Amino acid sequence: QSALTQPASVSGSPGQSITISCTGTSSDVGGYNYVSWYQQHPGKAPKLMIYEVSNRPSGVSNRFSGSKSGNTASLTISGLQAEDEADYYCSSYTTSSTPTVFGGGTKLTVL
Amino acid sequence: EVQLVQSGAEVKKPGESLRISCKGSGYSFTSYWISWVRQMPGKGLEWMGRIDPSDSYTNYSPSFQGHVTISADKSISTAYLQWSSLKASDTAMYYCARLGGGSAPYYWGQGTLVTVSS
Repeated sequence: QSALTQPASVSGSPGQSITISCTGTSSDVGGYNYVSWYQQHPGKAPKLMIYEVSNRPSGVSNRFSGSKSGNTASLTISGLQAEDEADYYCSSYTTSSTPTVFGGGTKLTVL
Repeated sequence: EVQLVQSGAEVKKPGESLRISCKGSGYSFTSYWISWVRQMPGKGLEWMGRIDPSDSYTNYSPSFQGHVTISADKSISTAYLQWSSLKASDTAMYYCARLGGGSAPYYWGQGTLVTVSS
């Protein structure tokens, strides 16, 4: 099962907006609206930031938004803050041998 | 409040057996699947498998099938991940997670660090 493709790193300055992409296939990202995004700070457990492509769990800042076009999903963080510096992972439902596949992760650096 | 509390860090030798646990609270334990996710040092997340606590039905990733066993005891709202013979390559952080729509992990445990070294 191949992981979803994410850029290894992205960076931005405080106040700016950044977008992280997550590319899959029609068997996962493109075929279902079950894309999730997770934030992971060093030494901490992942935290759900976006579910079902564009929904935010209660308590997650509205600076975080998700979208999807074709086989690529995106996470956008607006008004970057220092505490947004973390690793971000996407996941998707898939019809492959496992029901869930993760992206390889993207390290966000706030300059 | 949904909580998943995992057992503490473990240090084992190659060939030893191990079972780690994940206790759910704040929700109906039998109403949601639980999955296990591996994160090797400095690496990304890997989906290992999942269990339906209501009947203990399991799915495994082919990468982990036959090397680990996932089980659950619904009477004490606890899921388990078990190895019969550990390898050094099993050294990793292991997370349990409660699944939501599309089998996506929604709530995560704090993680259990497993270190396998001779």
